[in-house]
Amino acid sequence: KAGVTQTPRYLIKTRGQQVTLSCSPISGHRSVSWYQQTPGQGLQFLFEYFSETQRNKGNFPGRFSGRQFSNSRSEMNVSTLELGDSALYLCASSLDNWYNEQFFGPGTRLTVL
Amino acid sequence: AQKITQTQPGMFVQEKEAVTLDCTYDTSDQSYGLFWYKQPSSGEMIFLIYQGSYDEQNATEGRYSLNFQKARKSANLVISASQLGDSAMYFCAMREAFYNQGGKLIFGQGTELSVKP
Repeated sequence: KAGVTQTPRYLIKTRGQQVTLSCSPISGHRSVSWYQQTPGQGLQFLFEYFSETQRNKGNFPGRFSGRQFSNSRSEMNVSTLELGDSALYLCASSLDNWYNEQFFGPGTRLTVL
Repeated sequence: AQKITQTQPGMFVQEKEAVTLDCTYDTSDQSYGLFWYKQPSSGEMIFLIYQGSYDEQNATEGRYSLNFQKARKSANLVISASQLGDSAMYFCAMREAFYNQGGKLIFGQGTELSVKP
């Protein structure tokens, strides 16, 4: 079974630009979650999508948004990039229950100059 | 408030020895899951082991075991017979069932484990 894939793997943007990251979950997984990882703040939950609906949201500004398509693939968008948005963005997929483990993709490393 | 605490920023262990990585958690939910992940320098998070709040026995997965003490709210990871490939960051995480928390994992700050030959 193919794992979680994320594209692109690396991205360099400048302040003020916007970016879209993509995540393809494991086949059969309908829940897709996004996390931001930085050296200072650690791993922080961004949001979760399930059956094309946002089910959970972390404490991030509205510049961070996402969506999920009918095939469970998900995208996240960051508008008006700031230097502090430089991070590793991880996507994870899982089955629907709270006791199911999440499987992570390799991440997208975003650098904002 | 939901919180995961890992008090060991870094640890060293000799190859072939056992090591315990500490994790304490805080939650008011009765139903929750505790997870341990490994993150090598490549960045990908690798699932290691899971313990449910209602599980009476400690979870084990190969060389990994979880020392679950519910009353003390601790879920320590034990790695037996350490290998050089175990050198990585290790994260403890929690997921609550209340209000269908779904995919939201709360992570600790991590412990960087270095295995010495």
